[in-house]
Amino acid sequence: KQEVTQIPAALSVPEGENLVLNCSFTDSAIYNLQWFRQDPGKGLTSLLLIQSSQREQTSGRLNASLDKSSGRSTLYIAASQPGDSATYLCAVTFMKTSYDKVIFGPGTSLSVIP
Amino acid sequence: IAGITQAPTSQILAAGRRMTLRCTQDMRHNAMYWYRQDLGLGLRLIHYSNTAGTTGKGEVPDGYSVSRANTDDFPLTLASAVPSQTSVYFCASRRRVGSTGELFFGEGSRLTVL
Repeated sequence: KQEVTQIPAALSVPEGENLVLNCSFTDSAIYNLQWFRQDPGKGLTSLLLIQSSQREQTSGRLNASLDKSSGRSTLYIAASQPGDSATYLCAVTFMKTSYDKVIFGPGTSLSVIP
Repeated sequence: IAGITQAPTSQILAAGRRMTLRCTQDMRHNAMYWYRQDLGLGLRLIHYSNTAGTTGKGEVPDGYSVSRANTDDFPLTLASAVPSQTSVYFCASRRRVGSTGELFFGEGSRLTVL
């Protein structure tokens, strides 16, 4: 069964700290992995997309890595800010014949304390 | 701004009533999806459409129907709403099925069935 898990479920850090969010998946036959941010009561905002052939992607203070063989991805946030407080979701698009099977992790709720 | 528009943003509905959630995208994406998001269960796929004129069932399709008359619109209909359909519904799209492209989301429609 294809599954996506995220650790930790919740994280609280003081402003300025660097932090790492983890995502694991059970099947290496994937198209890509995408990290999203979701603010309370809002939709999902795409942060980074890593193709299955790539090892990492960077955008500003965010860096995402992908190790397909071990079924792991990490999202690194540098110099965290209170505005980074949100829930972070990873989504894995698994290869499937009829449609793109996207499975979402349960999310990591991040709180950055001023 | 290009993207996905969902309507209504929020709706309270009596059980047994019919309801259509609207989704329109202006990115000319072929693949479109409807998800529901529930606390503790995460995001689950209801229905998908790989291209205009075709639709398919996702993980939780019972009680819902969709149509895809053209590329831009992908409405979700609840024929006779039940309280268990209380949820936040998200429409999403991708350039094409099997694509390594980014998945985009609308802002969501919060539905309460009493």
